[in-house]
Amino acid sequence: AQSVSQHNHHVILSEAASLELGCNYSYGGTVNLFWYVQYPGQHLQLLLKYFSGDPLVKGIKGFEAEFIKSKFSFNLRKPSVQWSDTAEYFCAVNGGGSQGNLIFGKGTKLSVKP
Amino acid sequence: DTGVSQDPRHKITKRGQNVTFRCDPISEHNRLYWYRQTLGQGPEFLTYFQNEAQLEKSRLLSDRFSAERPKGSFSTLEIQRTEQGDSAMYLCASSLRRNTEAFFGQGTRLTVV
Repeated sequence: AQSVSQHNHHVILSEAASLELGCNYSYGGTVNLFWYVQYPGQHLQLLLKYFSGDPLVKGIKGFEAEFIKSKFSFNLRKPSVQWSDTAEYFCAVNGGGSQGNLIFGKGTKLSVKP
Repeated sequence: DTGVSQDPRHKITKRGQNVTFRCDPISEHNRLYWYRQTLGQGPEFLTYFQNEAQLEKSRLLSDRFSAERPKGSFSTLEIQRTEQGDSAMYLCASSLRRNTEAFFGQGTRLTVV
């Protein structure tokens, strides 16, 4: 069965610091990969997605992620975080013949200190 | 606003009661998903519809849970004889077709007392 691991439960950064959130998945076939964000009190929103092509994917609000197939990883990065990036971030995957339902990681809570 | 609407936003019920939640997806989306999210966890897949057909169910969906999507439009999720372990956020999502972005609603937070 597919699974997604997010390495950090809670990350605390100061504004302007660089961010990298780890995500690994456990499926050897073709996968589609996603990062979703949930701001306090709001719904899940898509940050970025990878289906095929360039493994470096750019998303909204300056976020990017790199798909490294050999490492089964899809880490999220941002060079300089802002206080408004405080949120919970979820990595998700679908693939393996599933009908498109997503398998989510447990999430990483990011707190950015002003 | 994502366009996926869920009702109610909050529901408090006594153990043993039945509850029903509604989801209205984005109008042209033919795929609809239900997820459950508990504290400290990511959303967990419950079930999926393509139009009115329920095509996949997770083993998390016990016999007390039933979902429908009549006419391929809105969907309902019913939980019978609720238990305290059913307390969670129930999320609905819709997508245009397979392997496209899923849009999530705000969720229905269920508390079973």
